[in-house]
Amino acid sequence: GAVVSQHPSRVICKSGTSVKIECRSLDFQATTMFWYRQFPKKSLMLMATSNEGSKATYEQGVEKDKFLINHASLTLSTLTVTSAHPEDSSFYICSARDIAGGSGYNEQFFGPGTRLTVL
Amino acid sequence: GQSLEQPSEVTAVEGAIVQINCTYQTSGFYGLSWYQQHDGGAPTFLSYNGLDGLEETGRFSSFLSRSDSYGYLLLQELQMKDSASYFCAVRRDDKIIFGKGTRLHILP
Repeated sequence: GAVVSQHPSRVICKSGTSVKIECRSLDFQATTMFWYRQFPKKSLMLMATSNEGSKATYEQGVEKDKFLINHASLTLSTLTVTSAHPEDSSFYICSARDIAGGSGYNEQFFGPGTRLTVL
Repeated sequence: GQSLEQPSEVTAVEGAIVQINCTYQTSGFYGLSWYQQHDGGAPTFLSYNGLDGLEETGRFSSFLSRSDSYGYLLLQELQMKDSASYFCAVRRDDKIIFGKGTRLHILP
């Protein structure tokens, strides 16, 4: 199946700093990637849809100035958490679809996630 | 909008069969998917039902009834490694929206 990587896997930062998380599709091209946030023992909350070559689409309640998304190429999307605070501590997961294979629109391949801890 | 309901927790015995139900409300239905997530790991795709009926993949099967807005995931011959959270999901436009997840506990 399609492989999605995420970097870093863990990051600890001080309050007020910015953190960048990378999401890459390794063996396929992804015009669209998705960013999720997950709290312990909770569901995945869709934050935004990252579109290659255009602005990201944010879900209601997600601050676009705080969570900056850039999708510069067909294999890379980045999420930058700006001026991070302890309440931003969470598990951030990206995903992508491989339209050409699998179940098309109905199957997503997830990255391994990034555990962010803000002190 | 979309809403999905599934039990928060289910407990079963190793070697047994367990069914995880999911009911949904959605505008524009494209099918029901199931994902598995182990603690600390990423979700992995298990199955997709676009049409009514049963889809079987090894020990796992998934069922859909569109008229009842209902589906389930059936896990047979349970193994300890099946202890995980299971999410049903529906598609909204080009996005996938997840249910709150069912945590499956397996007893030896």
